Amino acid sequence: GAVVSQHPSWVICKSGTSVKIECRSLDFQATTMFWYRQFPKQSLMLMATSNEGSKATYEQGVEKDKFLINHASLTLSTLTVTSAHPEDSSFYICSARGQGPYGYTFGSGTRLTVV
Amino acid sequence: GENVEQHPSTLSVQEGDSAVIKCTYSDSASNYFPWYKQELGKRPQLIIDIRSNVGEKKDQRIAVTLNKTAKHFSLHITETQPEDSAVYFCAAEAGSYQLTFGKGTKLSVIP
Repeated sequence: GAVVSQHPSWVICKSGTSVKIECRSLDFQATTMFWYRQFPKQSLMLMATSNEGSKATYEQGVEKDKFLINHASLTLSTLTVTSAHPEDSSFYICSARGQGPYGYTFGSGTRLTVV
Repeated sequence: GENVEQHPSTLSVQEGDSAVIKCTYSDSASNYFPWYKQELGKRPQLIIDIRSNVGEKKDQRIAVTLNKTAKHFSLHITETQPEDSAVYFCAAEAGSYQLTFGKGTKLSVIP
């Protein structure tokens, strides 16, 4: 079945530094990639949607200059959290939608802790 | 945009009993309704989904029903087992190919 590989699975970084999270679709072409953030005991909140080769569309309230999304190919999308602060600590998870009707494949998630 | 309401937020059942989780959605253009199970710290796992041209779908102990007129859909788990304990999310996909998630239901199955 469709697989999305997400790395790293967890990362601890210092305040002010940047962190890059990668999602790769291993056996299908991800025409659209979604990035979610999930705080403890809460639902998945969509941060942005990106289509290959296009600029990402950010949800209201999500700073596009802070959360940089690149979707340069049909198999790779990256989320960079720039100048991270403790309040950015969260579980970040990607989801890829391939061609054809329906079906989303989630990455395994990245636990980000900013100290 | 789409708005998905999910109830209840927590649900405790005795092992062997049934569990029902309900969701409503606002966008009548939504046409795909998946249900996910998420264990702590892990990715959501698709457990069942239904499309708008179907009223009910069943997979062993899990079933989903959809009422498009009322804009609600439900997850039914029969003969619950302790390993069913997790957080369950419903979602709805509208024409923009975006999934909107409900807030989740924490299901606890008591042995």
